[in-house]
Amino acid sequence: QQQVKQSPQSLIVQKGGISIINCAYENTAFDYFPWYQQFPGKGPALLIAIRPDVSEKKEGRFTISFNKSAKQFSLHIMDSQPGDSATYFCAASSMNRDDKIIFGKGTRLHILP
Amino acid sequence: NAGVMQNPRHLVRRRGQEARLRCSPMKGHSHVYWYRQLPEEGLKFMVYLQKENIIDESGMPKERFSAEFPKEGPSILRIQQVVRGDSAAYFCASSQETYEQYFGPGTRLTVT
Repeated sequence: QQQVKQSPQSLIVQKGGISIINCAYENTAFDYFPWYQQFPGKGPALLIAIRPDVSEKKEGRFTISFNKSAKQFSLHIMDSQPGDSATYFCAASSMNRDDKIIFGKGTRLHILP
Repeated sequence: NAGVMQNPRHLVRRRGQEARLRCSPMKGHSHVYWYRQLPEEGLKFMVYLQKENIIDESGMPKERFSAEFPKEGPSILRIQQVVRGDSAAYFCASSQETYEQYFGPGTRLTVT
């Protein structure tokens, strides 16, 4: 019940295309869903996050879509660029800061130039 | 405002030695989390600490691993008698009075 399932494991997208990464969770107590971006040799960086009281959040080219009834959320990267090539992790937690963040296994995204 | 700092960035230890990993949280942050990342895998929670207290160590192996976050100084993750399976990247994250965690650059431990 504590798992966050992420797909696909790897993704190749043409420059300018839309990259879509999907995640699903089971624990209905989760109410905070961040996405992290990690470049090789670096630590994960918080990219964007959503709470379940909204169905979509957009920051620049990055959009989170959230479906509370299906317990699913996804990251869309519009106009994907080679610089977006990285590993992306979805995660889930509760806003009780004593609760740990549960991470998906990650998606390795490669944007073709 | 400096971010989360970790040192060393790379650490090589022989089997049986001790590894000490340090984490200095962001200024003003009093919550520290340690995660382990194996190659091609996600981040696995190990331990959550506040100053002088371990809040949640449910992800920490029962033996050889310990963590502390003293009143003064950085948080320390200590691995005694390292084995090859301990080779991984260890990340520290910190947070303030919110749930947003900010990660350091990690320490890459190699056990030979």
